[in-house]
Amino acid sequence: QQPVQSPQAVILREGEDAVINCSSSKALYSVHWYRQKHGEAPVFLMILLKGGEQKGHEKISASFNEKKQQSSLYLTASQLSYSGTYFCGTEEGAQKLVFGQGTRLTINP
Amino acid sequence: GAGVSQSPSNKVTEKGKDVELRCDPISGHTALYWYRQSLGQGLEFLIYFQGNSAPDKSGLPSDRFSAERTGGSVSTLTIQRTQQEDSAVYLCASSLSGRQPQHFGDGTRLSIL
Repeated sequence: QQPVQSPQAVILREGEDAVINCSSSKALYSVHWYRQKHGEAPVFLMILLKGGEQKGHEKISASFNEKKQQSSLYLTASQLSYSGTYFCGTEEGAQKLVFGQGTRLTINP
Repeated sequence: GAGVSQSPSNKVTEKGKDVELRCDPISGHTALYWYRQSLGQGLEFLIYFQGNSAPDKSGLPSDRFSAERTGGSVSTLTIQRTQQEDSAVYLCASSLSGRQPQHFGDGTRLSIL
């Protein structure tokens, strides 16, 4: 079952913060986050395994609430380079990912 | 080091023809995935290979689609009797093993006339 991402799109000014949510109706083993720029391949950001952990990568971090079957991606002090479409991929235990429809993030100067 | 390589980068063919898409994963990666991405859409899982295990074909949309992975390395996705709805970008990804970061190739843009 495809996870639901929200919002579908967000427009920010450089330096503002954003939160992207990913929600599943199934119990999850892990959640992956990827960013895809227009015309390019998706690029891995981070993996979160069940256990409610939070991971960080520079000014991008994420959390995974196993009980709520939800993950959130946090982008702080956004930079122009953060623009792109963000996808969450959820894993229900078979080591394959089901991706959400994506959240398009636009950062303006 | 070399990333995931896909060929051709673009393929235009007539409806009803068969096409073969190739994926060369990162050396040493045991897991290989195929996805389909229609314009402005998300990534649709097609098939997953892990080592010598039987592939997970649960995402293949019809029996016109098939894939194989020879020698645990290069993979070929074959679409028979192509239809216009098959037009999309086909992405291949590989990872060290399942549940590891996936590294994507640049994809093959398939257009069916």
